[in-house]
Amino acid sequence: GAVVSQHPSWVICKSGTSVKIECRSLDFQATTMFWYRQFPKQSLMLMATSNEGSKATYEQGVEKDKFLINHASLTLSTLTVTSAHPEDSSFYICSARDIGGSDATEAFFGQGTRLTVV
Amino acid sequence: GQNIDQPTEMTATEGAIVQINCTYQTSGFNGLFWYQQHAGEAPTFLSYNVLDGLEEKGRFSSFLSRSKGYSYLLLKELQMKDSASYLCAPLDSNYQLIWGAGTKLIIKP
Repeated sequence: GAVVSQHPSWVICKSGTSVKIECRSLDFQATTMFWYRQFPKQSLMLMATSNEGSKATYEQGVEKDKFLINHASLTLSTLTVTSAHPEDSSFYICSARDIGGSDATEAFFGQGTRLTVV
Repeated sequence: GQNIDQPTEMTATEGAIVQINCTYQTSGFNGLFWYQQHAGEAPTFLSYNVLDGLEEKGRFSSFLSRSKGYSYLLLKELQMKDSASYLCAPLDSNYQLIWGAGTKLIIKP
């Protein structure tokens, strides 16, 4: 299957600072990338849908000014958690669709980023 | 509304067979995925069904009945490494994945 690389795998930051998470599709082009967060023992929650060259679409209840998403190319999307607080500590996962794949509906996931805000 | 219903937890014995059921209600339907997720890791793809019937892939098989809003994942010859959460995720009319909380599968020796 296609490869999605997410970086960093884990990060610890101080409260009030910003953290950037990168999501790259390594061997395919992705016009659409998705950002999820997952709290322990809970389901994946879609935060936003990122479309290359346009503004991201945020889910209800997700602050777009706090979670900045940039999708500047067909292989890279970034999520920046601004002014992070301890309640932002979570597992963040990106996924991307291979627009050129035999099954364009399949989404491939990055490895996830464990964010801890202290 | 959109809803996914899976058992919260299941226990099975190494070498045995287990079936994880999933019922769903979505706004439109464009297929259904099964993912495996080990604790602390991202989900990994297992199967995709868009037509009714059984799809077999090695030790794992997935079944879909669109009229009943029902799917199951069948795992054979269970191994200890199969201990994980299994997520049933249908695609709605907007091709968005709808996630439930998943089924935690515990394999015992």
